[in-house]
Amino acid sequence: DAGVTQSPTHLIKTRGQHVTLRCSPISGHKSVSWYQQVLGQGPQFIFQYYEKEERGRGNFPDRFSARQFPNYSSELNVNALLLGDSALYLCASSGTGWFSNQPQHFGDGTRLSIL
Amino acid sequence: DAKTTQPPSMDCAEGRAANLPCNHSTISGNEYVYWYRQIHSQGPQYIIHGLKNNETNEMASLIITEDRKSSTLILPHATLRDTAVYYCIVRLSNSGYALNFGKGTSLLVTP
Repeated sequence: DAGVTQSPTHLIKTRGQHVTLRCSPISGHKSVSWYQQVLGQGPQFIFQYYEKEERGRGNFPDRFSARQFPNYSSELNVNALLLGDSALYLCASSGTGWFSNQPQHFGDGTRLSIL
Repeated sequence: DAKTTQPPSMDCAEGRAANLPCNHSTISGNEYVYWYRQIHSQGPQYIIHGLKNNETNEMASLIITEDRKSSTLILPHATLRDTAVYYCIVRLSNSGYALNFGKGTSLLVTP
């Protein structure tokens, strides 16, 4: 079975531009989460969606937004890019139920570089 | 969610068992312990999780103390491919499922 897939794998943008990152969860998974990982640190939680509704949000500015589609895939959008947004953006999917201890499974991320 | 404390780095000889400790002294009764690892340039890989009983799978064993304030991840026969950053994470089973990764333990397996 395919794991979590993210596209693109690498992306270069300039300050002030907008970016859209995409994620396809593992088949049957209904929850998708997004994380940002800057160099040398652990991943930081950005958003979680379940059944197309936002269920959690980390400490990120409103420039970051996301949505989940009926097929459970998801997009992360970042507006007005800053140099500090350069990072590895990770998507994770989990579970068939909301109240579940099932683990999250991660894709290999999109590496975003801001010039 | 409870905070976790891990040593920043550890070494292990290839073929020996790697024992990675984690303290989670503020853990509450319904919080699970999860372990992930991240190999350079890849996404985090799920290893194992548990609530209060010891757990074993094809990758590792998880030993949780009786008071649940600490746990140990055991890689029984470490290989060079096990060199990675290992994260111990505690989260609520009915929370928003956000994972707080912290800084983890950088494990170096040497020949």
